[in-house]
Amino acid sequence: SAVISQKPSRDICQRGTSLTIQCQVDSQVTMMFWYRQQPGQSLTLIATANQGSEATYESGFVIDKFPISRPNLTFSTLTVSNMSPEDSSIYLCSVSASDYNEQFFGPGTRLTVL
Amino acid sequence: GQNIDQPTEMTATEGAIVQINCTYQTSGFNGLFWYQQHAGEAPTFLSYNVLDGLEEKGRFSSFLSRSKGYSYLLLKELQMKDSASYLCAVMDSNYQLIWGAGTKLIIKP
Repeated sequence: SAVISQKPSRDICQRGTSLTIQCQVDSQVTMMFWYRQQPGQSLTLIATANQGSEATYESGFVIDKFPISRPNLTFSTLTVSNMSPEDSSIYLCSVSASDYNEQFFGPGTRLTVL
Repeated sequence: GQNIDQPTEMTATEGAIVQINCTYQTSGFNGLFWYQQHAGEAPTFLSYNVLDGLEEKGRFSSFLSRSKGYSYLLLKELQMKDSASYLCAVMDSNYQLIWGAGTKLIIKP
């Protein structure tokens, strides 16, 4: 399985600011995803990061709030824009070899918004 | 709508066996996944079932019945380190993963 790293591992941010989270994989992967997991809850898919084109967002998530980049097959970023306390969560990137393979998760970024 | 149901919490004793059930209603089916997630950590992949029957992997086994929309994860010879949340996820006809809320498993000595 791929080795996935995320930066930062955690951050405390002020309301109204933005934070960019990086996800780096040690090998080329076809699929990259961004999830949010609020305390005690399951995973919610934010978007699929597409290499060389705009991300595919799930219902309830929009590009203006969560811009995503994926410049190549090993790297992606998720920005949480104009943050509010409701954005406090763990943000996880995951990768998969294809649509139908298992996903492997990065260690997550724990975000607290004051 | 699409739905995954699993118990919120279960308690078991070290050395025993526990079965965590998952029922699902999804638009199409392209496989069912089980993940383990320790507190404060990312989920890790445990198993994948796409055909009916039992898949055994060491102390962990996973069963699937597509006609019943049902799966279970069986953990044998429980160890304290098995205390974690166990997430059931189903891949629908669009190859999208639908996640259950997870079952928190508490192991007591």
